[in-house]
Amino acid sequence: QKEVEQDPGPLSVPEGAIVSLNCTYSNSAFQYFMWYRQYSRKGPELLMYTYSSGNKEDGRFTAQVDKSSKYISLFIRDSQPSDSATYLCAMSVTGGYQKVTFGTGTKLQVIP
Amino acid sequence: NAGVTQTPKFRILKIGQSMTLQCAQDMNHNYMYWYRQDPGMGLKLIYYSVGAGITDKGEVPNGYNVSRSTTEDFPLRLELAAPSQTSVYFCASILQEVTEAFFGQGTRLTVV
Repeated sequence: QKEVEQDPGPLSVPEGAIVSLNCTYSNSAFQYFMWYRQYSRKGPELLMYTYSSGNKEDGRFTAQVDKSSKYISLFIRDSQPSDSATYLCAMSVTGGYQKVTFGTGTKLQVIP
Repeated sequence: NAGVTQTPKFRILKIGQSMTLQCAQDMNHNYMYWYRQDPGMGLKLIYYSVGAGITDKGEVPNGYNVSRSTTEDFPLRLELAAPSQTSVYFCASILQEVTEAFFGQGTRLTVV
């Protein structure tokens, strides 16, 4: 079993839809949870992060962590074609980057 | 600030050749990292550095070497290139915390 599991997609939605992206994990010691957005042929860009449990909202994006279920989600409201990208979840036990585990990414396409 | 700059963007190597992938950051970050990204495999850590003169192995270091003589630069050396090293390579840097990460645009390497 992989330490972090992420459905690769692709996920195709119409513009304006609510998108839900998810990851599951097996290491209960993870404390830092991050979402990266990666456009085609570009480097990953940190989108949002949460520490421990709970929700965090930033504009159209909401990150949610459920530690009891070992499940994290990223919601995108009013999705736009510019949201079309691959979304990577990442997790870490500590703040040190050498211990970050990445998901394989979910490819999202928002159709105008 | 230019952020994290990687050169070259693309390269084709023949089996057995060597090359150096360059990475430079102008944010005075302490921590720098090299990842490789393969389809369906997520980002895997090759080497990392916590400061000038200090480097350490990540998850997949075989076939690679690094050095860090300055805070700004963190080159990755491939000796005796093999087809298994065909991948997209990303350099990343952070100041202190995992939530402050910046990635370069990547180097797409093909070994034939």
